[in-house]
Amino acid sequence: KQEVTQIPAALSVPEGENLVLNCSFTDSAIYNLQWFRQDPGKGLTSLLLIQSSQREQTSGRLNASLDKSSGRSTLYIAASQPGDSATYLCAGGGSQGNLIFGKGTKLSVKP
Amino acid sequence: SQTIHQWPATLVQPVGSPLSLECTVEGTSNPNLYWYRQAAGRGLQLLFYSVGIGQISSEVPQNLSASRPQDRQFILSSKKLLLSDSGFYLCAWSKGPRQTQYFGPGTRLLVL
Repeated sequence: KQEVTQIPAALSVPEGENLVLNCSFTDSAIYNLQWFRQDPGKGLTSLLLIQSSQREQTSGRLNASLDKSSGRSTLYIAASQPGDSATYLCAGGGSQGNLIFGKGTKLSVKP
Repeated sequence: SQTIHQWPATLVQPVGSPLSLECTVEGTSNPNLYWYRQAAGRGLQLLFYSVGIGQISSEVPQNLSASRPQDRQFILSSKKLLLSDSGFYLCAWSKGPRQTQYFGPGTRLLVL
């Protein structure tokens, strides 16, 4: 059974700092790895999707990597801004699109 | 462009009452559809997914059911709500099973 873990559970950084969020999964037989952000009381916003055959994806200040063999993914955020404050969720995708989510990392970027 | 709607946004229901939550997608055809629940202190959990009209797969046994009467409509139901059904219910769609999932705004359900 797939389990997804995100460390740390919470992170507070000053504005402008580069940071890394970690995600680990127990079953390497995932079809993709997706990163989302969730603002309080809101739905999820898709950030990046990495297919199992890919190693990384980039979008603006965000870069996500995937290492299936070690069961790890990281989300790198460059030059953090207060608007980046949110909960970041990673999810491993199964063959039918069934996503298994971690519990998230709550990020706070202080001005 | 594609949009996904959910209603109602908030719902307070007594234990034992029925439930119907609706999700519709615009701007695409034959999407994969998903229902998730986010309960307090727990992560997002997939409840149901559908690859086509009338095709429903359940991920976990529970007090809920799902139906897909039309291509872009996904309904979550219960005949009798339990306290443990409280949570934040999210609907999502994707173009295919291994594509990006796009989430709706969610329905917050409180069962008293």
